[in-house]
Order: sequence, then structure tokens, then C-alpha cells
Amino acid sequence: DSGVTQTPKHLITATGQRVTLRCSPRSGDLSVYWYQQSLDQGLQFLIQYYNGEERAKGNILERFSAQQFPDLHSELNLSSLELGDSALYFCASSVGEENTIYFGEGSWLTVV
Amino acid sequence: AQSVTQPDIHITVSEGASLELRCNYSYGATPYLFWYVQSPGQGLQLLLKYFSGDTLVQGIKGFEAEFKRSQSSFNLRKPSVHWSDAAEYFCALYFGNEKLTFGTGTRLTIIP
Repeated sequence: DSGVTQTPKHLITATGQRVTLRCSPRSGDLSVYWYQQSLDQGLQFLIQYYNGEERAKGNILERFSAQQFPDLHSELNLSSLELGDSALYFCASSVGEENTIYFGEGSWLTVV
Repeated sequence: AQSVTQPDIHITVSEGASLELRCNYSYGATPYLFWYVQSPGQGLQLLLKYFSGDTLVQGIKGFEAEFKRSQSSFNLRKPSVHWSDAAEYFCALYFGNEKLTFGTGTRLTIIP
């Protein structure tokens, strides 16, 4: 158990819908990262927050957004879902910005 | 730009045999290097990491990895594999302001 908690573990939704994935980082960790894992793209970095502020953006679609709240938990919002958004979404956390990153177990999203 | 190459997509070894998974990186300086393991349906678990110092690093589950600057490699090894080692293994790196970049992964199959 890495200490990073993600909910829900599994989610099935229809195209065009919107979902929110939630992440609680390890106790004391200030950085939160979101990654997408799909068969064709592999593990792709989406976005990073540090202590509530956006720090870096990767291959995140405009339909996706994220935020980190004062209690340091984070949410990834995915809207106007398409079939190709079906993937495993990982949240990860670290103490700072150049520390070891620990991953949660992921949220499986299936868009039908 | 930084990149990670795992040249072996799939490796099959017999239980009890030794294992070496290859990882090569491209970066101008020495990056921070990691190996993660993903068991079926599970999240990413950190096996070991290299930041600096001794080039042979020990990790969990009996794994070790050796950093070779001259070869830009960070290969993962285990002297004797167990059936429970069957999983997907990812090499990853980051340095400075870059974000954690993953290789495409190597799927390990163990045969009795």
C-alpha cells in the first residue's frame, strides 16, 4: 500500500458524460500528479499540482481539468467523454517536486 | 528531451532462473532513475531508485539494478525469479524540471 488513495476504482460511463476522479495523496506529500495509462499511449503524464498550484502540464486534453484543494486532495475532471478516453488513470504523490513519486492503484474508466 | 527505452516488450523466464530487464535512457546529464512494477490489475509499485552514489542499488522483492553511465543504462536484475514476479516492469526517469518519463514497459512471464 503506497498510501495514495484513489476513488472510484472502477467507473463505466457513456460517451458525452462527465466524471470526476478523486485522489488523496500520502500524508505529508505536497505534490500530486495525474497519469493516464492506455494500451496505445502507454503511461502519459497529464498534470502536476504542488501545494494547490498547478506546476506542470503534460499531454492533458482541453476536455480534462484538475485541481488540488487546500487539504491537498486532488480531483481530475473528464468531460465530453469519448471512447478513446477509456484508460487507467493514476494519481501519484511526492513530498516535494524532486522526490520519489508514489502511485495509487488507479481508477479504471470505461467509456461505452 | 529525456527518453527511456525498454527494448524488450515481453520476456519469458523459467521459475528459479535469473532475470535481467534492460533500460536505456537518453539525457545530457545523469537523471534520477526508477523501476516500477505493475501486477495485473494493480497500481505501480516502486521497486528501487537511483539518485546518486553507489551504482548498484538494492530494491524490494530481491531486485537490484545497476547504473552504468558509459552505457546510459539502468538494468534491473534478480538472481532467481518466483512465479509472483510475473508482471509489467517500467523503467522511468526524471531530472530537474522534467517530469517522470516512463518506458513502454516489459511484460514478464514466468513458466514453471
